[in-house]
Amino acid sequence: DSGVTQTPKHLITATGQRVTLRCSPRSGDLSVYWYQQSLDQGLQFLIQYYNGEERAKGNILERFSAQQFPDLHSELNLSSLELGDSALYFCASSARAIGTEAFFGQGTRLTVV
Amino acid sequence: AQTVTQSQPEMSVQEAETVTLSCTYDTSENNYYLFWYKQPPSRQMILVIRQEAYKQQNATENRFSVNFQKAAKSFSLKISDSQLGDTAMYFCAFMNYGGSQGNLIFGKGTKLSVKP
Repeated sequence: DSGVTQTPKHLITATGQRVTLRCSPRSGDLSVYWYQQSLDQGLQFLIQYYNGEERAKGNILERFSAQQFPDLHSELNLSSLELGDSALYFCASSARAIGTEAFFGQGTRLTVV
Repeated sequence: AQTVTQSQPEMSVQEAETVTLSCTYDTSENNYYLFWYKQPPSRQMILVIRQEAYKQQNATENRFSVNFQKAAKSFSLKISDSQLGDTAMYFCAFMNYGGSQGNLIFGKGTKLSVKP
Protein backbone atom coordinates (compact mmCIF):
# COMPACT_ATOMS: atom_id res chain seq x y z
CA ASP A 1 0.00 0.00 0.00
CA SER A 2 1.58 3.27 -1.18
CA GLY A 3 -0.52 5.46 1.11
CA VAL A 4 -2.04 7.32 -1.84
CA THR A 5 -5.78 6.83 -2.16
CA GLN A 6 -7.76 7.32 -5.33
CA THR A 7 -11.51 7.15 -5.74
CA PRO A 8 -13.39 5.79 -7.52
CA LYS A 9 -11.50 2.75 -8.82
CA HIS A 10 -13.74 2.40 -11.85
CA LEU A 11 -15.97 4.88 -13.65
CA ILE A 12 -18.14 4.38 -16.70
CA THR A 13 -19.79 7.41 -18.25
CA ALA A 14 -21.20 8.65 -21.53
CA THR A 15 -19.67 11.01 -24.04
CA GLY A 16 -20.25 14.66 -23.26
CA GLN A 17 -20.45 14.08 -19.52
CA ARG A 18 -18.28 15.46 -16.72
CA VAL A 19 -16.57 13.44 -13.99
CA THR A 20 -14.42 14.17 -10.96
CA LEU A 21 -11.57 11.96 -9.81
CA ARG A 22 -10.32 12.29 -6.26
CA CYS A 23 -6.89 11.74 -4.73
CA SER A 24 -5.65 11.78 -1.14
CA PRO A 25 -1.84 11.98 -0.96
CA ARG A 26 0.41 10.20 1.50
CA SER A 27 0.46 11.78 4.92
CA GLY A 28 2.92 14.66 4.89
CA ASP A 29 3.32 14.85 1.11
CA LEU A 30 2.80 18.32 -0.35
CA SER A 31 3.01 17.55 -4.07
CA VAL A 32 0.30 15.84 -6.08
CA TYR A 33 0.71 14.76 -9.69
CA TRP A 34 -1.86 13.51 -12.17
CA TYR A 35 -0.91 11.12 -14.97
CA GLN A 36 -2.92 9.56 -17.77
CA GLN A 37 -2.10 6.06 -19.00
CA SER A 38 -3.56 5.03 -22.34
CA LEU A 39 -2.60 2.31 -24.82
CA ASP A 40 -1.54 4.69 -27.57
CA GLN A 41 0.04 7.52 -25.52
CA GLY A 42 1.58 5.57 -22.66
CA LEU A 43 2.02 7.32 -19.31
CA GLN A 44 1.72 11.06 -19.68
CA PHE A 45 2.07 13.78 -17.08
CA LEU A 46 -0.96 16.03 -16.85
CA ILE A 47 -0.45 18.47 -13.99
CA GLN A 48 1.33 19.02 -10.67
CA TYR A 49 0.17 20.85 -7.57
CA TYR A 50 2.34 21.79 -4.65
CA ASN A 51 0.88 22.92 -1.34
CA GLY A 52 -2.31 24.13 -2.98
CA GLU A 53 -0.75 25.92 -5.93
CA GLU A 54 -0.38 24.76 -9.52
CA ARG A 55 3.30 23.98 -10.04
CA ALA A 56 3.59 22.55 -13.54
CA LYS A 57 1.46 21.60 -16.51
CA GLY A 58 2.03 18.79 -18.94
CA ASN A 59 -0.17 17.51 -21.72
CA ILE A 60 -3.44 18.45 -20.08
CA LEU A 61 -6.39 19.25 -22.32
CA GLU A 62 -8.35 22.46 -21.80
CA ARG A 63 -11.40 20.31 -21.03
CA PHE A 64 -9.53 18.99 -17.99
CA SER A 65 -8.83 20.91 -14.81
CA ALA A 66 -7.53 20.14 -11.36
CA GLN A 67 -7.17 21.68 -7.95
CA GLN A 68 -5.56 20.93 -4.62
CA PHE A 69 -7.48 21.79 -1.49
CA PRO A 70 -6.20 23.11 1.88
CA ASP A 71 -6.23 19.57 3.29
CA LEU A 72 -3.96 18.66 0.32
CA HIS A 73 -6.33 16.27 -1.38
CA SER A 74 -6.72 16.87 -5.08
CA GLU A 75 -9.44 16.52 -7.66
CA LEU A 76 -9.15 16.11 -11.42
CA ASN A 77 -12.18 17.28 -13.36
CA LEU A 78 -12.77 15.94 -16.85
CA SER A 79 -15.53 17.54 -18.90
CA SER A 80 -17.11 17.13 -22.35
CA LEU A 81 -15.78 13.61 -22.31
CA GLU A 82 -14.84 11.88 -25.54
CA LEU A 83 -14.23 8.22 -26.31
CA GLY A 84 -10.51 8.95 -26.49
CA ASP A 85 -10.46 10.06 -22.87
CA SER A 86 -10.92 6.45 -21.78
CA ALA A 87 -7.76 5.65 -19.82
CA LEU A 88 -6.27 4.87 -16.46
CA TYR A 89 -5.74 8.05 -14.45
CA PHE A 90 -3.10 7.94 -11.76
CA CYS A 91 -2.46 10.27 -8.91
CA ALA A 92 0.97 10.32 -7.30
CA SER A 93 2.35 12.24 -4.37
CA SER A 94 5.79 13.26 -3.16
CA ALA A 95 7.17 15.09 -0.19
CA ARG A 96 8.55 18.14 -1.99
CA ALA A 97 8.06 20.03 -5.23
CA ILE A 98 11.13 18.55 -6.90
CA GLY A 99 13.74 15.91 -6.38
CA THR A 100 11.80 13.33 -4.41
CA GLU A 101 10.36 10.06 -5.55
CA ALA A 102 6.67 9.78 -6.24
CA PHE A 103 4.32 7.19 -4.84
CA PHE A 104 1.33 6.19 -6.91
CA GLY A 105 -2.27 5.45 -6.11
CA GLN A 106 -4.02 2.48 -7.64
CA GLY A 107 -5.56 4.57 -10.39
CA THR A 108 -9.05 5.26 -11.64
CA ARG A 109 -10.12 3.34 -14.73
CA LEU A 110 -12.32 5.69 -16.79
CA THR A 111 -14.40 4.24 -19.58
CA VAL A 112 -16.30 6.64 -21.84
CA VAL A 113 -19.06 4.99 -23.88
CA ALA B 1 12.95 18.15 -23.91
CA GLN B 2 13.81 14.92 -22.20
CA THR B 3 12.86 11.59 -23.73
CA VAL B 4 13.03 8.02 -22.45
CA THR B 5 13.24 5.03 -24.77
CA GLN B 6 12.65 1.40 -23.95
CA SER B 7 13.45 -0.61 -27.05
CA GLN B 8 12.13 -3.98 -25.85
CA PRO B 9 8.31 -4.06 -25.91
CA GLU B 10 8.22 -7.61 -24.56
CA MET B 11 10.62 -10.03 -22.92
CA SER B 12 10.38 -13.39 -21.26
CA VAL B 13 12.63 -15.25 -18.84
CA GLN B 14 12.59 -18.60 -17.09
CA GLU B 15 12.05 -18.64 -13.37
CA ALA B 16 15.32 -18.36 -11.40
CA GLU B 17 17.23 -16.92 -14.37
CA THR B 18 18.53 -13.39 -14.89
CA VAL B 19 17.09 -10.83 -17.28
CA THR B 20 18.15 -7.31 -18.25
CA LEU B 21 15.75 -4.61 -19.40
CA SER B 22 17.16 -1.74 -21.44
CA CYS B 23 16.49 1.97 -21.19
CA THR B 24 18.10 4.97 -22.84
CA TYR B 25 17.30 8.60 -22.27
CA ASP B 26 18.09 11.94 -23.76
CA THR B 27 18.70 15.08 -21.74
CA SER B 28 20.95 18.10 -21.65
CA GLU B 29 20.59 18.34 -17.88
CA ASN B 30 23.31 17.27 -15.48
CA ASN B 31 21.28 16.76 -12.31
CA TYR B 32 18.54 14.20 -12.53
CA TYR B 33 17.14 10.98 -11.15
CA LEU B 34 16.29 7.79 -12.95
CA PHE B 35 13.75 5.24 -11.79
CA TRP B 36 12.36 1.85 -12.65
CA TYR B 37 8.69 1.30 -11.85
CA LYS B 38 6.87 -2.01 -11.96
CA GLN B 39 3.21 -2.32 -12.94
CA PRO B 40 1.80 -5.80 -12.26
CA PRO B 41 -1.62 -6.90 -13.54
CA SER B 42 -3.14 -5.22 -10.50
CA ARG B 43 -2.03 -1.99 -12.32
CA GLN B 44 -0.45 -0.48 -9.20
CA MET B 45 2.71 1.48 -10.03
CA ILE B 46 5.45 0.26 -7.69
CA LEU B 47 8.86 1.89 -7.37
CA VAL B 48 11.56 -0.73 -7.90
CA ILE B 49 14.78 1.23 -7.77
CA ARG B 50 16.17 4.76 -8.14
CA GLN B 51 19.50 6.19 -9.21
CA GLU B 52 20.82 9.69 -8.65
CA ALA B 53 22.82 10.90 -11.66
CA TYR B 54 25.60 12.34 -9.49
CA LYS B 55 26.30 8.95 -7.94
CA GLN B 56 28.75 6.74 -9.81
CA GLN B 57 27.84 3.65 -7.84
CA ASN B 58 25.03 1.60 -9.35
CA ALA B 59 21.93 1.24 -7.18
CA THR B 60 20.93 -2.19 -5.85
CA GLU B 61 17.76 -3.37 -4.14
CA ASN B 62 17.82 -7.06 -3.28
CA ARG B 63 17.47 -8.95 -6.60
CA PHE B 64 17.23 -5.72 -8.62
CA SER B 65 20.25 -3.76 -9.77
CA VAL B 66 20.95 -1.17 -12.41
CA ASN B 67 23.77 -0.49 -14.82
CA PHE B 68 23.94 3.29 -15.08
CA GLN B 69 26.16 4.62 -17.86
CA LYS B 70 25.86 8.41 -17.69
CA ALA B 71 27.97 9.21 -20.72
CA ALA B 72 26.04 6.76 -22.85
CA LYS B 73 22.73 7.86 -21.26
CA SER B 74 21.85 4.28 -20.56
CA PHE B 75 20.04 2.88 -17.53
CA SER B 76 19.36 -0.86 -17.63
CA LEU B 77 17.64 -2.97 -14.99
CA LYS B 78 18.91 -6.42 -14.08
CA ILE B 79 16.60 -8.82 -12.29
CA SER B 80 18.38 -11.80 -10.76
CA ASP B 81 16.75 -15.07 -9.69
CA SER B 82 13.54 -14.11 -11.48
CA GLN B 83 10.32 -15.02 -9.71
CA LEU B 84 6.79 -15.51 -11.04
CA GLY B 85 5.76 -12.39 -9.14
CA ASP B 86 8.15 -10.33 -11.25
CA THR B 87 5.75 -10.71 -14.18
CA ALA B 88 4.70 -7.12 -14.94
CA MET B 89 5.18 -4.07 -17.13
CA TYR B 90 8.39 -2.26 -16.28
CA PHE B 91 8.72 1.45 -16.90
CA CYS B 92 11.90 3.45 -16.96
CA ALA B 93 11.41 7.06 -15.85
CA PHE B 94 13.41 10.30 -15.73
CA MET B 95 13.08 13.20 -13.32
CA ASN B 96 14.94 16.46 -13.78
CA TYR B 97 16.28 17.52 -10.40
CA GLY B 98 17.28 21.03 -11.31
CA GLY B 99 14.06 22.20 -12.91
CA SER B 100 10.96 23.77 -11.44
CA GLN B 101 8.74 20.70 -11.70
CA GLY B 102 9.08 17.27 -10.22
CA ASN B 103 7.16 15.16 -12.68
CA LEU B 104 8.35 11.90 -14.20
CA ILE B 105 8.90 11.27 -17.89
CA PHE B 106 8.21 7.64 -18.73
CA GLY B 107 9.29 5.25 -21.42
CA LYS B 108 6.71 3.11 -23.21
CA GLY B 109 7.41 0.13 -21.01
CA THR B 110 8.64 -3.45 -21.33
CA LYS B 111 6.26 -6.32 -20.66
CA LEU B 112 8.15 -9.01 -18.77
CA SER B 113 6.82 -12.54 -18.47
CA VAL B 114 8.46 -14.96 -16.05
CA LYS B 115 7.79 -18.55 -17.07
CA PRO B 116 7.79 -21.51 -14.66
